[in-house]
Amino acid sequence: EIVLTQSPATLSLSPGERATLSCRASKSVNTYLAWYQQKRGQAPRLLIYDASNRATGIPARFSGSGSGTDFTLTISSLEPEDFAVYYCQQRSNWQFTFGPGTKVEIK
Amino acid sequence: QVQLVQSGSELKKPGASVNVSCKASGYTFTTYTINWVRQAPGQGLEWMGWINTNTGNPRYAQGFTGRFVFSLDTSVNTAYLQISSLKAEDTAVYYCARVTNWVFDYWGQGTLVTVSS
Repeated sequence: EIVLTQSPATLSLSPGERATLSCRASKSVNTYLAWYQQKRGQAPRLLIYDASNRATGIPARFSGSGSGTDFTLTISSLEPEDFAVYYCQQRSNWQFTFGPGTKVEIK
Repeated sequence: QVQLVQSGSELKKPGASVNVSCKASGYTFTTYTINWVRQAPGQGLEWMGWINTNTGNPRYAQGFTGRFVFSLDTSVNTAYLQISSLKAEDTAVYYCARVTNWVFDYWGQGTLVTVSS
């Protein structure tokens, strides 16, 4: 099973700042990497798929990059509604796993 | 528009069973798999497995065999999760999600299952 590790566990930033979140896979997942946002009390929402493609309706301030084992989600300028938990997810042999999450909190 | 609407919260005693439903609308139900994801209180997302809505064949992730059963009623575009012999550690929010290719693109609102004596 491929294990995903996310860092940091918590990111404390102010609105307007840039957020850089990391996801590392224990083995290569090519570009089968997605990112989700989850706000308190809500279901997760798809942000990025295939490592770098924004899902429908996702603002341009969200971008994803990487391939193989190292991936990054960047939020170019944090809006108040972006403070949430972010999960990465991979597919390998049609088994899915999620990372443990990064909480982006208001500093 | 695509929607997945889940059944309401449940409070169950240890040893009981629970059924969670997930009703899909806005797309052809049998075209996409329905996956189930567990989120224990304060914890992350854990993939439980999927059901092929075309064949009815389920696939269970490690740790979700035996007491967990996925089923369908395609006549009403609904998927079901049954958990038997409930334990306190089954307390969680359970989500259904549609998967397109390998991406969880639409999610239900979640169903809280609380197991307590």
